[in-house]
Amino acid sequence: QSALTQPASVSGSPGQSITISCTGTSSDVHGYNYVSWFQHHPGKAPKLMIYDVSERPSGVSNRFSGSKSGNTASLTISGLQAEDEADYYCSLYTSGSPVFGGGTKLTVL
Amino acid sequence: EVQLVESGGGLVQPGGSLRLSCAASGFTFSSDSMNWVRQAPGKGLEWVSYISSSSNTIYYADSVMGRFTISRDNAKNSLYLQMNSLRDEDTAMYYCARESKAAATVDYWGQGTLVTVSS
Repeated sequence: QSALTQPASVSGSPGQSITISCTGTSSDVHGYNYVSWFQHHPGKAPKLMIYDVSERPSGVSNRFSGSKSGNTASLTISGLQAEDEADYYCSLYTSGSPVFGGGTKLTVL
Repeated sequence: EVQLVESGGGLVQPGGSLRLSCAASGFTFSSDSMNWVRQAPGKGLEWVSYISSSSNTIYYADSVMGRFTISRDNAKNSLYLQMNSLRDEDTAMYYCARESKAAATVDYWGQGTLVTVSS
């Protein structure tokens, strides 16, 4: 299973919307809906933000949304806030274990 | 509240061994499958190992197969990772993470314990 490709960094100003992409292949992201997104503030425990492409766990802000088109899954954060600044990782479950993307550092300007 | 607290990390020489522990609370540990995931400095996340709730099913990443052993003690609400024949490339923050029952994902993580392999 190959790793998933994410942009190294994205940035946005408070109140804006940003989208982080997660690109796989036709044999993984395209064929499965087991895409998750995690938020990681350095030194803290990673936090599940999105699962099954677009589902939000209880307690996660509706400013966070997920989608998928073809081989690419996306995480969109609307109404950016300072506390959204963190690293974000996508993951995909296919063969019983997760494969992760390389991570994207979100900077709130 | 679900809590996962890792311990046991530290500095070890190449070829050495280390045993990581993860203390779980706030949920019925014996009912949930668990994982170890690591993050090398400056790198992304890498899944390491999985163990089912009753220890019947165990998986390892190819990179640690034959060197690492995952185990659990449901009576003590604890998850373990025995790491032998450690290599420089095993240097990483190691996280324990709970497998979700509702979806194909991990839903709770600990804060991690740092393992440094260096002479």
